[in-house]
Amino acid sequence: QQQVKQSPQSLIVQKGGISIINCAYENTAFDYFPWYQQFPGKGPALLIAIRPDVSEKKEGRFTISFNKSAKQFSLHIMDSQPGDSATYFCAASMIGSGGTSYGKLTFGQGTILTVHP
Amino acid sequence: DARVTQTPRDKVTEMGQEVTMRCQPILGHNTVFWYRQTMMQGLELLAYFRNRAPLDDSGMPKDRFSAEMPDATLATLKIQPSEPRDSAVYFCASGFRGGPGGDEQFFGPGTRLTVL
Repeated sequence: QQQVKQSPQSLIVQKGGISIINCAYENTAFDYFPWYQQFPGKGPALLIAIRPDVSEKKEGRFTISFNKSAKQFSLHIMDSQPGDSATYFCAASMIGSGGTSYGKLTFGQGTILTVHP
Repeated sequence: DARVTQTPRDKVTEMGQEVTMRCQPILGHNTVFWYRQTMMQGLELLAYFRNRAPLDDSGMPKDRFSAEMPDATLATLKIQPSEPRDSAVYFCASGFRGGPGGDEQFFGPGTRLTVL
């Protein structure tokens, strides 16, 4: 119930194309869904996050689409650039108001994105 | 600018040796997490502290791993004795639970551990 499944494992896109990464979760108590971006040799960094009260959130070229009934969410990168080449992780947590489970992120397995110039 | 620092950045040791990794969370943050990253398992949560109190260490092998926060500016992760299967990158992350940033976690640069 704590799993977050991410696909694809790797993705190759041409410059200017759209990159789409998908995640599915099982625990309906999850109420916070961030995406993290990780460059080689660096720690992951928050890219964009969404709460389940909205179906879409956009920040620049990055958009999260959220489908609560299907328990799925996805990251869309528009006009993909070579500088976007990195590993992307979806995650989920329960923000809630307390308890030991709240605030813990459960990560997907990651997607290695390569954007060719 | 504020960032999480980790030392050492790289550690090569022999099987059976004790390894200590250190983390300085961002000043004012009240949550600290330790993660392990490997190709096979991805990012695994090992331990989680809030206000220096350990909340969850269910992801940590108890017989050899221990995590502590001696004070608000230092978190440590120890492995004793180390084994080759412990080879991984260990990340520390900090955040502020209850703050306007929600549950954003700020990751350090990681400690790459190689156990021979």
